[in-house]
Amino acid sequence: ETGVTQTPRHLVMGMTNKKSLKCEQHLGHNAMYWYKQSAKKPLELMFVYNFKEQTENNSVPSRFSPECPNSSHLFLHLHTLQPEDSALYLCASSQAMDTGNTEAFFGQGTRLTVV
Amino acid sequence: GQNIDQPTEMTATEGAIVQINCTYQTSGFNGLFWYQQHAGEAPTFLSYNVLDGLEEKGRFSSFLSRSKGYSYLLLKELQMKDSASYLCAASRGANNLFFGTGTRLTVIP
Repeated sequence: ETGVTQTPRHLVMGMTNKKSLKCEQHLGHNAMYWYKQSAKKPLELMFVYNFKEQTENNSVPSRFSPECPNSSHLFLHLHTLQPEDSALYLCASSQAMDTGNTEAFFGQGTRLTVV
Repeated sequence: GQNIDQPTEMTATEGAIVQINCTYQTSGFNGLFWYQQHAGEAPTFLSYNVLDGLEEKGRFSSFLSRSKGYSYLLLKELQMKDSASYLCAASRGANNLFFGTGTRLTVIP
């Protein structure tokens, strides 16, 4: 148990479906992240939220839509995805400071398959 | 932009020592993280280097040279459970963490 919980753990969705991934952290951190992990590729940073405000969007397609209602919860809304979007989606949190961030704690991830 | 390079795969023998290298290029560099990730599990934090030099933590040590853009993770007295992917990540700015592809380490008897 890392203090970061993601649901669901596995998700299969069609290209016309709309679904949401949920992440919750119980560590009192002020920064939350979405990462995408595909086979044989680096962990790709998608979005960063700092005190509920989005501070980074790494050129992610609009079919991925993040939402951060408070510092403890983070969502990733999915719609009209493509098969190449199939991957492990990891949520993380950390305590961000002016001098740099502390270590990030990761959730177990959601294994997404787009059919 | 940023770039992080580390070997894709390594194999080592149980009880031995292995060094996993990482080179990085990024603006606004703050520090260098190492994470361990077992198959099907979340990455877990191993070490964080901000200053040049060696940080030792039990069987694991991590080294950083900021001037050379270079780091390594040293694993001593290897155990079978150390078989995992080891991710090098550069911290940039206030809260951006960029990862390499990871090095898959296989420990053999």
